[in-house]
Amino acid sequence: AQKITQTQPGMFVQEKEAVTLDCTYDTSDQSYGLFWYKQPSSGEMIFLIYQGSYDEQNATEGRYSLNFQKARKSANLVISASQLGDSAMYFCAMREGGGAQKLVFGQGTRLTINP
Amino acid sequence: NAGVTQTPKFQVLKTGQSMTLQCAQDMNHEYMSWYRQDPGMGLRLIHYSVGAGITDQGEVPNGYNVSRSTTEDFPLRLLSAAPSQTSVYFCASSFATYHNEQFFGPGTRLTVL
Repeated sequence: AQKITQTQPGMFVQEKEAVTLDCTYDTSDQSYGLFWYKQPSSGEMIFLIYQGSYDEQNATEGRYSLNFQKARKSANLVISASQLGDSAMYFCAMREGGGAQKLVFGQGTRLTINP
Repeated sequence: NAGVTQTPKFQVLKTGQSMTLQCAQDMNHEYMSWYRQDPGMGLRLIHYSVGAGITDQGEVPNGYNVSRSTTEDFPLRLLSAAPSQTSVYFCASSFATYHNEQFFGPGTRLTVL
């Protein structure tokens, strides 16, 4: 079963606009972590933001915030005031608290920022 | 700290050849893992390790072998390369609890002819 679903294969946004990248997940664990990574065209994986299942407040890191809706099992990434350098692939991932605590990735969303 | 290092950066193999992709980390992380990324797709877990001497299979383990003799090193062996193994391979490490981010190496781009 697909544990992480990213339904937007590609998104195009004007520079300086805010953008929301969707992520839904599936787990029966009570303890889990949700992560967003950025992969620019150079190929490296860059950690952006983390949300724990017990965190009551949405995580924020600079221009990145995570809209965490636990009951709906969604963890959308919000980028405020987008910049040309935000053009990249974005991956949502989950690490469950049970078992081996493996990190499982979604298929990714390719974000393109237009000037 | 060097973080997570991978060698080589690029490799071309012929079908049937074997090789080892090297991965090392200097952050004293218990957990290490190997992923492959095919064009336009997310990362799929090949093998992982929760400590020296302990390894287990991920989602796509066939054709790959791993061992973990030290905390620092986690090599990935391709036993008999096939064109279907053409991919970008990432090594990652972290502390072993679910709220810890994984740190990724720069990747190895492998082409099997």
